[in-house]
Amino acid sequence: GAGVSQSPSNKVTEKGKDVELRCDPISGHTALYWYRQSLGQGLEFLIYFQGNSAPDKSGLPSDRFSAERTGGSVSTLTIQRTQQEDSAVYLCASSLSHQETQYFGPGTRLLVL
Amino acid sequence: QKEVEQDPGPLSVPEGAIVSLNCTYSNSAFQYFMWYRQYSRKGPELLMYTYSSGNKEDGRFTAQVDKSSKYISLFIRDSQPSDSATYLCAMREGAEKLVFGKGTKLTVNP
Repeated sequence: GAGVSQSPSNKVTEKGKDVELRCDPISGHTALYWYRQSLGQGLEFLIYFQGNSAPDKSGLPSDRFSAERTGGSVSTLTIQRTQQEDSAVYLCASSLSHQETQYFGPGTRLLVL
Repeated sequence: QKEVEQDPGPLSVPEGAIVSLNCTYSNSAFQYFMWYRQYSRKGPELLMYTYSSGNKEDGRFTAQVDKSSKYISLFIRDSQPSDSATYLCAMREGAEKLVFGKGTKLTVNP
């Protein structure tokens, strides 16, 4: 079946602009996760959704970062007033439930100039 | 000290070699241990999943967890050029977020 998909695959933006990154999880997966992968930093957890609610937002680095999930499916990660340090690969993962295996999408490569 | 430490490499081996990849961790509450493989410009894919201490084998891959030493390993036997990728260890306590190592980049030369 279809895996996790993310769009866009690449995004180049100017410092100060807002960006929206989209994640389509595997159908039927109730849990959805956002991670950030920076050069030399590994994968860092950002936020986790169970259904449409976000029980754990502890990884969001600042209030410029927000995420929502609608209909228990698609999720959008929004970064406002982007900064150069926001440049990274943003990965989305989904799982059947919170303790199950996480399946990753291909990521969105964000470059802030 | 980071929660999970992993040597980033790079590691380069000839085809057919046995590869050993390792991670150490500081949180003794971690119970679930995973290894992900990530090809260039792709998302990570789950390779091995282990609960608590012990060994798990799947084909050419063996995962080991030593909770007393807070040390986990992944062994790849008869390595192939197609194994060339970055290998990420990951772990969690229970119903918690995954904590990842930084990844080890492996190249298997034909």
